Amino acid sequence: GAVVSQHPSRVICKSGTSVKIECRSLDFQATTMFWYRQFPKQSLMLMATSNEGSKATYEQGVEKDKFLINHASLTLSTLTVTSAHPEDSSFYICSASLALGLYNEQFFGPGTRLTVL
Amino acid sequence: AQTVTQSQPEMSVQEAETVTLSCTYDTSESNYYLFWYKQPPSRQMILVIRQEAYKQQNATENRFSVNFQKAAKSFSLKISDSQLGDTAMYFCAFMKPQETSGSRLTFGEGTQLTVNP
Repeated sequence: GAVVSQHPSRVICKSGTSVKIECRSLDFQATTMFWYRQFPKQSLMLMATSNEGSKATYEQGVEKDKFLINHASLTLSTLTVTSAHPEDSSFYICSASLALGLYNEQFFGPGTRLTVL
Repeated sequence: AQTVTQSQPEMSVQEAETVTLSCTYDTSESNYYLFWYKQPPSRQMILVIRQEAYKQQNATENRFSVNFQKAAKSFSLKISDSQLGDTAMYFCAFMKPQETSGSRLTFGEGTQLTVNP
């Protein structure tokens, strides 16, 4: 089946530092990847849509300068949280889109828990 | 814009019994896709079942089945013979056809299901 990995699975950093999270589609090519943020006991909130070779499309209210997204290849997208602060602590999930007939199915990574001290 | 509503924040069921999770949605589209995802304590998102709106027949996957009422814009999930491993957060999600949306998902708020022994 289609597998998506995320690295790291958890990270703790100091306030003011930057953190990079990688999302890889292991056995398929994904022209589109998505980045979500999830707070405890809440739903997934779409942050941005990442298309290979082009700039990411950010959802309203998401700071593009704070959450830098790079989709440099068909199997890798990265999310960099710049100058992280405690309020950026959250669970970040990526998904990769695979065309299945008439629609694209999203396959999800296992998530990254970010804690900013 | 599409909206997805899950009105049951929490539900519980005894092992081996049947439980139904509710979901309603709002859209002006005539063709679309509906999904139920499961997020266990590991927080890995797992696709449970998918329904194409143009298909009148309700989707089934082993112990999981849906009741899709297109006119009422209702999409409930029935879990039969509940097992302890079914304990998870369940999300209902909506997707427009890929050519119009780039396959982005709109999620409901989620229903936390607990299966009791």
